[in-house]
Amino acid sequence: GAGVSQTPSNKVTEKGKYVELRCDPISGHTALYWYRQSLGQGPEFLIYFQGTGAADDSGLPNDRFFAVRPEGSVSTLKIQRTERGDSAVYLCASSSEGPNTGELFFGEGSRLTVL
Amino acid sequence: AQRVTQPEKLLSVFKGAPVELKCNYSYSGSPELFWYVQYSRQRLQLLLRHISRESIKGFTADLNKGETSFHLKKPFAQEEDSAMYYCALGGSNYKLTFGKGTLLTVNP
Repeated sequence: GAGVSQTPSNKVTEKGKYVELRCDPISGHTALYWYRQSLGQGPEFLIYFQGTGAADDSGLPNDRFFAVRPEGSVSTLKIQRTERGDSAVYLCASSSEGPNTGELFFGEGSRLTVL
Repeated sequence: AQRVTQPEKLLSVFKGAPVELKCNYSYSGSPELFWYVQYSRQRLQLLLRHISRESIKGFTADLNKGETSFHLKKPFAQEEDSAMYYCALGGSNYKLTFGKGTLLTVNP
């Protein structure tokens, strides 16, 4: 596809359940980012991949959150034992450039609602 | 620590009026500043970056290191400029830190 693709676009789950959110970056983009956007806030950094490895996961809020990118392309953000506070839009972005150049191409986001 | 402040949550102007969206940052290193925009029902996208010194859709932004600011300006606002605008800060790492955003409404 032409842009970053995220699925599902909407996910409603119950407290305590496990959730996976998928991101398909632009082909050839080596850098992949996950951000979280809560209502009324700007995007908040979660994790950054360069290739297959997580170069920085310092933004993950706790150990219930985990992300993988096993083949250096598609990434999955996994949330265990979801809590109501996890409700947010989860944004994925990719970039073909190295660090510091800043043009991130965003997906449309996955809206997670935890009841 | 990196921090971006956008003091205005909402900004409303009339078509043809000048517009300025404020952005201040805090960063101890050499900053790189960006403006991202999200139009209604569209994804977040880059509008401009300070290193390019470009004008996009009539918008410009100048990095003022003395005032630690990167305000976005346009001399004559258009209705199609109505959108959510986010200032973002990058530095010696690869993370972009975003402000909370300013919702610009341009009235006819």
